[in-house]
Amino acid sequence: TQLLEQSPQFLSIQEGENLTVYCNSSSVFSSLQWYRQEPGEGPVLLVTVVTGGEVKKLKRLTFQFGDARKDSSLHITAAQPGDTGLYLCAGEGNTGGFKTIFGAGTRLFVKA
Amino acid sequence: EAGVAQSPRYKIIEKRQSVAFWCNPISGHATLYWYQQILGQGPKLLIQFQNNGVVDDSQLPKDRFSAERLKGVDSTLKIQPAKLEDSAVYLCASSLDLRGKLFFGSGTQLSVL
Repeated sequence: TQLLEQSPQFLSIQEGENLTVYCNSSSVFSSLQWYRQEPGEGPVLLVTVVTGGEVKKLKRLTFQFGDARKDSSLHITAAQPGDTGLYLCAGEGNTGGFKTIFGAGTRLFVKA
Repeated sequence: EAGVAQSPRYKIIEKRQSVAFWCNPISGHATLYWYQQILGQGPKLLIQFQNNGVVDDSQLPKDRFSAERLKGVDSTLKIQPAKLEDSAVYLCASSLDLRGKLFFGSGTQLSVL
């Protein structure tokens, strides 16, 4: 069974601080996605990484896929209150089919 | 472009009752997913359809959960009878095809008392 572990579970920081959240697995994934989910809404896709070692930037967010395609990180520079939400990583497995599994998420709160 | 529509937004039932959720995916999306998200956890795939056929239902508790997508467009998910542990948000998502980007609806929050 492929599992994704996210850390930390919770993070509360001040506006302007930098942060990194992690997504780790013992399994290899064909691709990995990061989503943000706000209360009462469904997850919204932020980025998909496919190639080992790949780095993608989305404004103040930097996403990296591990060389072995087993882990990923999300770095936010100068966090803002609007970044508050649940950050989920999701992986498309290598075991046949196109099943996407999700980690439990990191809940981020950015204080003004 | 209209997003994924789900109804109802909230449902409160007593254990052993039945409940049904409805999902209308984005027009033209062949793949439809039902996920269960328990508080504090990530979404867990219950069932995945490609048009009106089931691709994966390995994590669907088939003794009480059923889902259909008869015309390959909208879908219903039913729980009969409900248990306390079924309290969760039920998310519907759709994508153009099996490897396409997932678009989620706002979910149905179910409370089983």
